[in-house]
Amino acid sequence: GAGVSQSPSNKVTEKGKDVELRCDPISGHTALYWYRQRLGQGLEFLIYFQGNSAPDKSGLPSDRFSAERTGESVSTLTIQRTQQEDSAVYLCASSLRLALVTGELFFGEGSRLTVL
Amino acid sequence: GQSLEQPSEVTAVEGAIVQINCTYQTSGFYGLSWYQQHDGGAPTFLSYNALDGLEETGRFSSFLSRSDSYGYLLLQELQMKDSASYFCAVQNYGGSQGNLIFGKGTKLSVKP
Repeated sequence: GAGVSQSPSNKVTEKGKDVELRCDPISGHTALYWYRQRLGQGLEFLIYFQGNSAPDKSGLPSDRFSAERTGESVSTLTIQRTQQEDSAVYLCASSLRLALVTGELFFGEGSRLTVL
Repeated sequence: GQSLEQPSEVTAVEGAIVQINCTYQTSGFYGLSWYQQHDGGAPTFLSYNALDGLEETGRFSSFLSRSDSYGYLLLQELQMKDSASYFCAVQNYGGSQGNLIFGKGTKLSVKP
């Protein structure tokens, strides 16, 4: 597609439920990133993929969070047993090469998660 | 680890010039990026400095001093539409290279 696509754009769930957030990167982009942004806050790094591999999972807040990427394309971020503190916008970004080379990421519009 | 410091808020008037500073601490360094984010929108890339000096792109310029671990974003001829949050970011040089670490952002308010 023309840009990074994320779905759902909005998700309201009850505490304790599992949620899946999807990201479709720009076609051909080998690197894919997930960030979390709480209201009025900065971007908190969660995980990134180079191809289908995730060299750096250090940002995942807890073992309730997991992510996968298949076919060097779509990625899914899963949050199990959601807590109210998980409420945030989850942003996905992709880049043609690792960001360390160009410093440029292309972001999607995000998935806004609200945990009641 | 990495840390970036930038002012939380800046206010300026239309037509003015504003400078947003960013200081960083990293165990290694590749370059400094700047992003703009309007309320409710996605961050968008503005500029990247890998070498010392000034990079100019229209009304926006970005500066880097590697020896001072310091950079800034300069916005000229401010317009109302420039009201947004601005983030500086550096690459993680740690055990796994590739991810981009962002500062907490500077909220710029442009007044008429």
